[in-house]
Amino acid sequence: EAGVTQFPSHSVIEKGQTVTLRCDPISGHDNLYWYRRVMGKEIKFLLHFVKESKQDESGMPNNRFLAERTGGTYSTLKVQPAELEDSGVYFCASRRGQTNTEAFFGQGTRLTVV
Amino acid sequence: SQELEQSPQSLIVQEGKNLTINCTSSKTLYGLYWYKQKYGEGLIFLMMLQKGGEEKSHEKITAKLDEKKQQSSLHITASQPSHAGIYLCGADSIQGAQKLVFGQGTRLTINP
Repeated sequence: EAGVTQFPSHSVIEKGQTVTLRCDPISGHDNLYWYRRVMGKEIKFLLHFVKESKQDESGMPNNRFLAERTGGTYSTLKVQPAELEDSGVYFCASRRGQTNTEAFFGQGTRLTVV
Repeated sequence: SQELEQSPQSLIVQEGKNLTINCTSSKTLYGLYWYKQKYGEGLIFLMMLQKGGEEKSHEKITAKLDEKKQQSSLHITASQPSHAGIYLCGADSIQGAQKLVFGQGTRLTINP
């Protein structure tokens, strides 16, 4: 089966611009997660979808970040307007179950805000 | 919230040597995962532990979860250059809640 796919792999944008990241989970995986790793720091949870519903968005930094998963398939994470501190690697993961099941990760999107 | 502490944060070992990475939680773990990340790549699943005292092995990597389910260790025997990378432990925050959180990672370097 195809793995978790993220697009783009890299993005360089100017401060104040908008960027949209996309994640295509493994087919049939209801649970989709977004994470972010800022340089030198740990992977931080951003939010969790169950199908199209936001189960937990406690990790979203602020209202400049908007995640959607219309139809319960792919998900987008939009940053508007982007700030310098938003730079980092954004990972998406999906898994079939809600706990005690392996989560599959995408390759990540490296976002650089200049 | 679930906090996972990994130690050491970085580790440099000579090829062929054994090593251990630890992951400690302040709360009972209900699903402990070990992942590995190589630079520029996503996280690769290694193992999942659920039961107290459980131990799993894959090739030269062994992971254990203690009886109290608050500490896990990852042991690599006869390390090879291919073992280099960042090792992360992750856990489901509490039973019934599906948030999957991670420790800060351990950067492993293998010197030839």
